[in-house]
Amino acid sequence: GQQVMQIPQYQHVQEGEDFTTYCNSSTTLSNIQWYKQRPGGHPVFLIQLVKSGEVKKQKRLTFQFGEAKKNSSLHITATQTTDVGTYFCAPISNFGNEKLTFGTGTRLTIIP
Amino acid sequence: DSGVTQTPKHLITATGQRVTLRCSPRSGDLSVYWYQQSLDQGLQFLIQYYNGEERAKGNILERFSAQQFPDLHSELNLSSLELGDSALYFCASSVAPAGHSTDTQYFGPGTRLTVL
Repeated sequence: GQQVMQIPQYQHVQEGEDFTTYCNSSTTLSNIQWYKQRPGGHPVFLIQLVKSGEVKKQKRLTFQFGEAKKNSSLHITATQTTDVGTYFCAPISNFGNEKLTFGTGTRLTIIP
Repeated sequence: DSGVTQTPKHLITATGQRVTLRCSPRSGDLSVYWYQQSLDQGLQFLIQYYNGEERAKGNILERFSAQQFPDLHSELNLSSLELGDSALYFCASSVAPAGHSTDTQYFGPGTRLTVL
């Protein structure tokens, strides 16, 4: 079955530094979604990537989908304290395959 | 506010007991998902319903069961509770079934279950 690895598990960065989390799948994906969960909060949808090699930006956040559609990354430029939280990827392996898998998440903490 | 509501917010109970968690999806959403999140853990998918029917099952224990009612709200029943069942239980909803291109999930605020 599909296995998803998200790395790193934890990341501490100085405010203003960049941050990247990676999501790697053992199988080819149809699409991938990213969610953010603030401390004490619930996951919130950020974005969905569908096309091979797709790159999408949301202000300081850049999302990429690999050419082989087996991996994805989320990059934050110049982190701010509001970026604190856990970032989860949620890959979908096949349309119509309703097995849901969230990545283990990357917990980002910011050192002011 | 995602539009998904969950009750209760907090639940404290004893081992061996049974509890029911309730979820109301966003207006118009037909899919409901249940997740368990233990302390410092990721989201473990439990089960999904679409328009009243079970659609997908994850790592849900036999002691746990769920259903989705005609008005689309869902309940997660946890029985013979153990200490290890203490966790945050999230409900999420989406318009389409999982795996569909428009299955963005909207999460509720969660129910924090503490088993003593």
